[in-house]
Amino acid sequence: LMTQSPATLSVSPGERATLSCRASQTVSNNLAWYQQKPGQAPRLLIYGASTRATGIPDRFSGSGSGTEFTLIISSLQSEDFALYCCQQYHHWPPTWTFGQGTKVEI
Amino acid sequence: QITLKESGPTLVKPTQTLTLTCTLSGFSLSASGVAVGWIRQPPGKALEWLAVIYWNDDKRYSPSLKSRLTITKDTSKNQVVLTMTNVDPVDTATYYCAHMSYTLQYFFDYWGQGTLVTVSS
Repeated sequence: LMTQSPATLSVSPGERATLSCRASQTVSNNLAWYQQKPGQAPRLLIYGASTRATGIPDRFSGSGSGTEFTLIISSLQSEDFALYCCQQYHHWPPTWTFGQGTKVEI
Repeated sequence: QITLKESGPTLVKPTQTLTLTCTLSGFSLSASGVAVGWIRQPPGKALEWLAVIYWNDDKRYSPSLKSRLTITKDTSKNQVVLTMTNVDPVDTATYYCAHMSYTLQYFFDYWGQGTLVTVSS
């Protein structure tokens, strides 16, 4: 089980946003963050807890290990207002579990 | 570049079997370390992983849906097919397929656009 907080985060453009994800059991660094805008598929932002995916701006950063993870958006741009989901990969047996998401709104 | 596209019925009746196809482009599911997963998202709800098939034909299913799902691949057609039996209105969702690879630790790095399936009589 992946628990994200807060459910909704209200932030002004240019401000910093901090999103949290907690796993019910340790997942090492097998965690990813996705961004999803209305009507679109999710986009991979961060994998391995802290590695930015190809083409992701460096204002997005991930950290954490074990059960506590954080996504920071250092200076919110207009295009960053979206839903953010964390997802853990459990190696054995292989399973993938998504969090409920944090909506970042203006 | 890597792209995936889902196709299948938009409306299915309860108790019927749903068959969805994911057509792959820009990569081969016969390449070592590659996998394709299916994920769904009911309207306004969270993403839910359904199944994964690996290049070596290994398959993994969500424990909660395992008895209803079958995932297969046809590398000659560059397609992955997901079947779900005995559908119910709670299966109404947008269904996505996604590329995965060993180099990205089997996270979902490329996604299809999704296809909305409604289960209703």
